[in-house]
Amino acid sequence: RKEVEQDPGPFNVPEGATVAFNCTYSNSASQSFFWYRQDCRKEPKLLMSVYSSGNEDGRFTAQLNRASQYISLLIRDSKLSDSATYLCVVTPYNNNDMRFGAGTRLTVKP
Amino acid sequence: DAGVTQSPTHLIKTRGQQVTLRCSPKSGHDTVSWYQQALGQGPQFIFQYYEEEERQRGNFPDRFSGHQFPNYSSELNVNALLLGDSALYLCASSFGPGSSPLHFGNGTRLTVT
Repeated sequence: RKEVEQDPGPFNVPEGATVAFNCTYSNSASQSFFWYRQDCRKEPKLLMSVYSSGNEDGRFTAQLNRASQYISLLIRDSKLSDSATYLCVVTPYNNNDMRFGAGTRLTVKP
Repeated sequence: DAGVTQSPTHLIKTRGQQVTLRCSPKSGHDTVSWYQQALGQGPQFIFQYYEEEERQRGNFPDRFSGHQFPNYSSELNVNALLLGDSALYLCASSFGPGSSPLHFGNGTRLTVT
């Protein structure tokens, strides 16, 4: 089993749609969680951190369920500019490296 | 405020050769991590340098080595290149070895023929 697993995708949605991505992680001692966005042939960029209480940043909402070892990202009112690959990232406890999922590709169409 | 910078941006090598990739961390950062990203995959952790020492290492062979200089910049060296080493190599910096999230550079795309 992979340490971080994501929906395989790709997701193709129309503008204005709501789309949700899921991610599961295997290490129950993981301590930090993030969503990164990566555009084609570019570097990953931090989209948002994920907190136990859930957090929202504009059209983006991230949630963490530690009991189920599950992270989600919800994008409301999708824009064409949201088209990218979304990477789920987990940092194990007392460890310095970040573990990335394989990513879920999103294409928002007019 | 300069972000993480990497050089070169692209590189083509042949099997068996050696390559050196370079990274300058974001201003104020002292820790550098290297990742390998194969096509269609997420980045995989290679190693992390802090205080000029390798602090942690991922599941990569000894052909992959690195160095950190007193100015916090870093190099990634790969010896005896294999076709499978073709990937995007990403450098990320942070302040302190245990801090996250990381800030990535644009990467070096290495092609081994």
